[in-house]
Parts: sequence; C-alpha cells; structure tokens
Amino acid sequence: EADIYQTPRYLVIGTGKKITLECSQTMGHDKMYWYQQDPGMELHLIHYSYGVNSTEKGDLSSESTVSRIRTEHFPLTLESARPSHTSQYLCASSERRGDGYTFGSGTRLTVV
Amino acid sequence: DQQVKQNSPSLSVQEGRISILNCDYTNSMFDYFLWYKKYPAEGPTFLISISSIKDKNEDGRFTVFLNKSAKHLSLHIVPSQPGDSAVYFCAASSLNTGNQFYFGTGTSLTVIP
Repeated sequence: EADIYQTPRYLVIGTGKKITLECSQTMGHDKMYWYQQDPGMELHLIHYSYGVNSTEKGDLSSESTVSRIRTEHFPLTLESARPSHTSQYLCASSERRGDGYTFGSGTRLTVV
Repeated sequence: DQQVKQNSPSLSVQEGRISILNCDYTNSMFDYFLWYKKYPAEGPTFLISISSIKDKNEDGRFTVFLNKSAKHLSLHIVPSQPGDSAVYFCAASSLNTGNQFYFGTGTSLTVIP
C-alpha cells in the first residue's frame, strides 16, 4: 500500500503551459525529494526539502520550482513547459538515512 | 561527475541461476548503500541495504556484498525468478550528505523462464 502519492501518473501537455505535479505522503516524514529520471540514466535530484518552509535546489539544474507549506505536501511547478522537460518525475520522502527513501509511483510527463 | 556507476546497462539470466549486479562508487566517504528495484511506470522500491561496517547483508534470495577497498558492491539474487525482471539501482550516501542518496544509472535484469 503506497504511503506516498503522485498525481497525475501520466500527463501530455503543450509547450508553454504551466503545470503542477502533486506529491503527498502520509508518513509524517520531514524530508522530501524530487528526482528526474530518463530511461537508462541515473536519478537526478532536482529539489529537496528538510521540513516546512525549507526548500533547496538539487544537483541537476531545473527550471521548476517547489513549495513546502505543509509537511505532507511537496508540489513541483513548471511555469512554462518545454519539450526538454519531457521525463519521469519521482517524488520521495524519508525520515532517517538508514531507512532510505520511499518513492511515489512517478509522473511521466510529455511536452509536445 | 557521476559518483555511483553501474556499468552494465542490462543482464539476462536463466530462471533458477544466480544474477549478479554490480555497482562502483568513487566517493570514499560513502558509508551506507541501498539497492532499489524498479518496474516500468512505477517508482523504485527498496530492496536491501548495507552499512560500511559490514561486508555482507542477506535477506532471503538477495545478498549484497561490499568491498570498501575496491569501492565496489554487488547484489546477488539466488535463485533468479521471472518476477525479478526489473531495473535495479544502487544508491550511496555519506553522513555529510545527510539523507541525500546518489543513484547509479541502473541495470535492467531479464530473467528468462
């Protein structure tokens, strides 16, 4: 049973549109992450948060933004989607390093 | 610069045989390692972990080996089953990266019935 939820699972959208990818977790984890992954490539960290009102950019430069107003909610927004944003976006949360991450099912985004 | 590397993009194994997936890392500060399994269109799920104070950890059919001097870890699956067919990612972290894990590019395992 998933404790971290991502919506939508799949999204096809036109260039220039604004989109928000949703991520919610019910485990009360303070730490949440957004990763981007293309087939055959490693997971790239694009944003993370260690608690409410705390957000940081990850190693991979991204034109997206995130917010963390509530512990359980960590949405990612693209103000103007481009074909280069086509990818799979994975949200994860964690509490302790020893537990690793719990991932959501991902959002497969296609920008046409 | 990629700190965690999985040099074999794919691996095919007969059902019942052993699958060995390899992972190398460059950062000698890494002290905690995870393996994740990922099916298409799903998020990765945690499989097994190992701390640098150990050189082996076993969980059922899955065993992870860590060679710190070689900066190498491997995942052994014995016996392999068709349901094990998935992409396997290794991940590593150190105390000074906090909870952040660095992931490899994954190895796609196909277990042939």
